[in-house]
Amino acid sequence: LAKTTQPISMDSYEGQEVNITCSHNNIATNDYITWYQQFPSQGPRFIIQGYKTKVTNEVASLFIPADRKSSTLSLPRVSLSDTAVYYCLVGGYGGSQGNLIFGKGTKLSVKP
Amino acid sequence: NAGVTQTPKFQVLKTGQSMTLQCAQDMNHEYMSWYRQDPGMGLRLIHYSVGAGITDQGEVPNGYNVSRSTTEDFPLRLLSAAPSQTSVYFCASSYYTGNNEQFFGPGTRLTVL
Repeated sequence: LAKTTQPISMDSYEGQEVNITCSHNNIATNDYITWYQQFPSQGPRFIIQGYKTKVTNEVASLFIPADRKSSTLSLPRVSLSDTAVYYCLVGGYGGSQGNLIFGKGTKLSVKP
Repeated sequence: NAGVTQTPKFQVLKTGQSMTLQCAQDMNHEYMSWYRQDPGMGLRLIHYSVGAGITDQGEVPNGYNVSRSTTEDFPLRLLSAAPSQTSVYFCASSYYTGNNEQFFGPGTRLTVL
């Protein structure tokens, strides 16, 4: 499973767009890129997943360049409630293993 | 649907005691797993199961046992608790093995004295 690298922490203000970049140089051909969000004292929550180009849902957008060695999670117009730890993971989709490898994540602090 | 449920929410043990952390899901998910999370750390995989009757070890399996007799339940047993097992434990499930959209339970906070 590919290792990921992301910033330890980020600060933002309410209403701003936040972009969190993750690098995954050793991503395999069948790996998908998945992002999770974790609030204090709660389990992680799935946010978004993609394979290439751009994926958008009601919560976030995920941008993946052609070489897939990095990805960027974009949170539009953040609010105080978006303060959380965000994890970037890569892993096979539909393969024989469902194991996810969580790094330390990026702690996002949104200020008023 | 209740989703993924875990009991108890909190537990204090003495060194050497044994206990079972319960995990259940009502979504008919094939894949279930247990993680532990230590302060300031990401989650580390303890054990996982790709279906009833099938379990395997994850990254940090020592000191823990699991079984999967039904699709719904995946208990985690601590055989002889040690202070190093003080952690928050999360159970997760997904529709099938290889699906990266996993649903996590609320966690069990365990302290071993």
